Amino acid sequence: HLQLQESGPGLAKPSETLSLTCTVSGGSIRSTSHYWGWIRQPPGKGLEYIGSIYYSGSTYYNPSLKSRATISVDTSRNQFSLKLSSVTAADTAIYYCARQYYESIGLGWFDTWGQGTLVTVSS
Amino acid sequence: DIVMTQSPDSLAVSLGERATINCKSSQSVLYSSNNKNYLAWYQQKPGQPPKLLIYWASIRESGVPDRFSGSGSGTDFTLTISSLQAEDVAVYYCQQYYGIPVTFGGGTKVEIK
Repeated sequence: HLQLQESGPGLAKPSETLSLTCTVSGGSIRSTSHYWGWIRQPPGKGLEYIGSIYYSGSTYYNPSLKSRATISVDTSRNQFSLKLSSVTAADTAIYYCARQYYESIGLGWFDTWGQGTLVTVSS
Repeated sequence: DIVMTQSPDSLAVSLGERATINCKSSQSVLYSSNNKNYLAWYQQKPGQPPKLLIYWASIRESGVPDRFSGSGSGTDFTLTISSLQAEDVAVYYCQQYYGIPVTFGGGTKVEIK
């Protein structure tokens, strides 16, 4: 069955770039019915959508991140990645990757999630 | 952005009783061309990622117990747990996917009374 696993440093310094990778197993990232997304959750708070990518490289982003986020895909490794630049303490959160349903008229729900990885921004 | 507002923030329900969670969107998430409401519900237990319960406002994801049901249309939606079980203690979130960015409600914490 499909599984997603986040990986990357658990600590980032202020003003630097946070980098995470999501590895997809038990299925292909080249699905025509899905995008692959990143969502974050500050400790004890709610969910915030960061962005999503299709296997072709097409992306959607949350404008609230003011172009700090970049999502890329590596279909040969069945992985997709997130880079978030100029991080501050406000970017401290659990970062989840997830599979997102897609149809021709837009994005949908997230049906499979990784376990999440806590990234702390601190000097 | 479409703002999703959930109520209440928390509720305590006795085992076997009904729990009702509300979600209101700042604009309609009903797509007229297909008459579908672009709304999903998730359950998040402590230390776990969210789990999809319902999509298209009322379609249960495979494997979700039928005590969970979703209803509503346009801007007002409800998640109902018909008979609360101990394992249903969690935070519940609604999410709209009508607009980009997709947005989530603030969450409703369900506890046992």
